[in-house]
This record gives sequence, structure tokens and C-alpha cells, in this order.
Amino acid sequence: GAGVSQSPSNKVTEKGKDVELRCDPISGHTALYWYRQSLGQGLEFLIYFQGNSAPDKSGLPSDRFSAERTGGSVSTLTIQRTQQEDSAVYLCASSLVSGSNEKLFFGSGTQLSVL
Amino acid sequence: DQQVKQNSPSLSVQEGRISILNCDYTNSMFDYFLWYKKYPAEGPTFLISISSIKDKNEDGRFTVFLNKSAKHLSLHIVPSQPGDSAVYFCAALNYGGSQGNLIFGKGTKLSVKP
Repeated sequence: GAGVSQSPSNKVTEKGKDVELRCDPISGHTALYWYRQSLGQGLEFLIYFQGNSAPDKSGLPSDRFSAERTGGSVSTLTIQRTQQEDSAVYLCASSLVSGSNEKLFFGSGTQLSVL
Repeated sequence: DQQVKQNSPSLSVQEGRISILNCDYTNSMFDYFLWYKKYPAEGPTFLISISSIKDKNEDGRFTVFLNKSAKHLSLHIVPSQPGDSAVYFCAALNYGGSQGNLIFGKGTKLSVKP
């Protein structure tokens, strides 16, 4: 597709369940980022992938959060044993090259609601 | 500790007038700054950027000003239009740092009244 695609657009889950969020970046973009936006907050950096380098996981809030990027393209963000404070919009973004003048292109996000 | 601060959560402006959105940062290592615009239920979209070697960048109705000594930048929209109503995020980047990620502020919700 032409833009960054995220699925599902909405996810409602029960506390304690695991969830997987998917991101399809723009074809050819080597850098992929995950952010989240909690209610009333700014965009919080979670993790980013750059090519074949080890991902920068410094933003992940706990060890319940993990992410993979297979084949340098699609990425999955997994949240284990979800908690109510995990409720947020999870945004994926990609860019042609990380750390350059290239701007990020964001997907529409996944609205996660943990009941 | 917020490195990028947008102290005004909301701003209301009359159509045709100037909108001024402000952003302050604390990390002197930041050398590139961007503004993103976000409509409800959509992802943020890039609006305009500025390098730390400049103090002004203009693109149509949008101008970003950077005051490095004050660690302050602002986005001016003139004339403001109802379609500009959105949340505006300021973001900063340190090219020399080990992370390639942008640090975002909390956003300012702009409402342009017809």
C-alpha cells in the first residue's frame, strides 16, 4: 500500500490477556518505530528498528512489551498479560532512513482498550 | 522529565487570524525540530521542520521559528483556516545521539473558529 498500515484499528481485551498489534511499513522504508499515546499524553517512544541492526528497546515500559520485525518489513508489537494502564493508541511509523532528515510516516494507529 | 514541552494544551483562534503554537525543549543536544499535525482517528502527519543551523523556515502559511538560546520554537499559521483545527505536536531529534527516535511534546489542540 501507499502508506503505513496498522491492524487491528481497534482492539478490546480483558485484563491479563495477550495482544498482538501489527504494522506494515511503507515499502522500502528501513526504519520502523512504535509509539503510543495515552489519553491526554504526548507520543511516547517505545521501540525502533533500523535495517538489520539490533532494535532500540529503550522505550519499552516493561518486560511485558516486546516487538519483532520480520524480514525487515512487517512488525508485531506484543503485550503480554495486559493491564488497564496499557490502554492507549499504539502508533507505528516508518522512514526511509533512521536518524536523518527523513520524516516519519505514521499509520492510523491501533486503539487498545483493556477492560 | 519532559525534554520537549508544549505548555498550552489548547488554543482557540478566529479564522483569518494568526495561530502561534509554542514549544520549549531542555536538551541542548537537539539539532533538528519538527511539527506534526494530527486529526482525530488518524496518525500524525509531518508539517514542517527546521534545522538548528537556521532560525526560520517557511512553507506557505506555516512558519517555524527557532530560538536556540532560549531553547524555544514556535509554529505560526497565518491566515488560520478551520481545516487547520487539529492537534499539533512539536518533536525534537538529536542526530548525534545513539537513538534515532523523535522526542514528542504532549501536543496543543488548535481550534480555528469560522
